[in-house]
Amino acid sequence: GAVVSQHPSRVICKSGTSVKIECRSLDFQATTMFWYRQFPKQSLMLMATSNEGSKATYEQGVEKDKFLINHASLTLSTLTVTSAHPEDSSFYICSARTDYGYTFGSGTRLTVV
Amino acid sequence: GENVEQHPSTLSVQEGDSAVIKCTYSDSASNYFPWYKQELGKRPQLIIDIRSNVGEKKDQRIAVTLNKTAKHFSLHITETQPEDSAVYFCAASIRGGGSYIPTFGRGTSLIVHP
Repeated sequence: GAVVSQHPSRVICKSGTSVKIECRSLDFQATTMFWYRQFPKQSLMLMATSNEGSKATYEQGVEKDKFLINHASLTLSTLTVTSAHPEDSSFYICSARTDYGYTFGSGTRLTVV
Repeated sequence: GENVEQHPSTLSVQEGDSAVIKCTYSDSASNYFPWYKQELGKRPQLIIDIRSNVGEKKDQRIAVTLNKTAKHFSLHITETQPEDSAVYFCAASIRGGGSYIPTFGRGTSLIVHP
C-alpha cells in the first residue's frame, strides 16, 4: 500500500518551455506532498510542501513563480517548472506523508537543452 | 528547526563486513527516524525505521539503534553484500498530529566490494 506514482520519469525540454510533473497517490489520500530536488550524489533538497486545497509553502531560495505547485485534490499534486533553463536540469522527486511514514514517487529526470 | 548530520559521506567495505552509518539530530521533539536506501536514478526506499520509544530495532541483516539522550541514531548492516551498494539517507521527524516536515541527512554512499 501507500504508493505514489510520478510521471514522467524522464523529460527533455527546450530552454524557455514549461514542464509539468505529476504525482498521484494510488491507494491513499495524500493530504501533504513534499517536493524535492536532488543533484547527483547529493541529498534531497526540500523545495516546497503542499497541502491539499491550500497554497504551497516554499523553502527559502526557491522561486515560487518558477516552480508552480498545485495540490488540487487529495490524490494529485503537480510541479510545473516554468520557463525552464539548463540550470533547472535535475532529478525531481515527490514524497507523501502516510500513516506509516513517508513514501516517494519514482522521480523525474529533467534535462533542459 | 531540525538539523540532521550524517556520517560518513562515503563508506567502502568488503563483502561480508559490517557497515555502520551514524546520524545526529537537534530537535528533541523528533520521535520518528526512518532510513532510506536509494539506488542510482531510483526512488528512496524505506528499509527500516524506529520510534523514540524504542532503543533498537532489527530486521534480518539491518538494525537501527537510537540514543535519545545523546540525540543520535545509527544504521547497522551486517554481512554486507554487493547489492547493498547504494546511498543511504537517515531522517528525523515528528510523527503524529499537526504539520511536520522530515529532515534528511546528506546521505552515505555505501560501496561493497565483492
